[in-house]
Amino acid sequence: QVQLVESGGDLVKPGGSLRLSCAASGFNFSDYYMSWIRQAPGKGPEWVSYITNSGSAIYYADSVKGRFTISRDNAKNSLFLQMNSLRVDDTAFYYCARDHHGASNWGQGTLVTVSS
Amino acid sequence: DVVMTQSPLSLPVTLGQPASISCRSNQSLLYSDGNIYLNWFQQRPGQSPRRLFYKVFNRDSGVPDRFSGYGSGTNFTLKISRVEAEDIGVYYCMQGSHWPYTFGQGTKMEIK
Repeated sequence: QVQLVESGGDLVKPGGSLRLSCAASGFNFSDYYMSWIRQAPGKGPEWVSYITNSGSAIYYADSVKGRFTISRDNAKNSLFLQMNSLRVDDTAFYYCARDHHGASNWGQGTLVTVSS
Repeated sequence: DVVMTQSPLSLPVTLGQPASISCRSNQSLLYSDGNIYLNWFQQRPGQSPRRLFYKVFNRDSGVPDRFSGYGSGTNFTLKISRVEAEDIGVYYCMQGSHWPYTFGQGTKMEIK
């Protein structure tokens, strides 16, 4: 079955950096667009970014553009999110999701806390 | 950005009774390929969101048939024919037609 496992979340100071990873299994990873979606505690989800199956096209929400970078390694069935210049309002659970038009499957999430 | 507006935001329900959630978009969700990428998600307490429906009315695997999704244009509805205890949680509609993809505010379903 489809499994997505995120890692890399941590407590970081404002202005700091983190790299999130998502290990995918149970499907042909290289066939699917992949996304990062975040959810601040007690709030609704927010789509952060998605990347096409080949990595040839990438989209970012305005709130993270220029600070976050999505990437993938199809040989290792892995999705990544490099987060720089982190701000307090980036605090959230970050989910890896399969597909883009509809996020058919989500991981369990990894918590990023930005605080001084 | 496309704004998705759900109502109600709080939905007290009686077990065994029907329940319905409305979702409206402020513009058409018709995508260039002819599809309407309107999805419904359920988030149980302490869990990740789980997709229930895609492209308005297509039920995901494992979703009970007491759930139904329908709508067109800019008005969409999620209906539960008979609410069960496991249905308690927050429900979100989400549009995947226009970037940035956006979610509704969420509807919190709880037992009356």
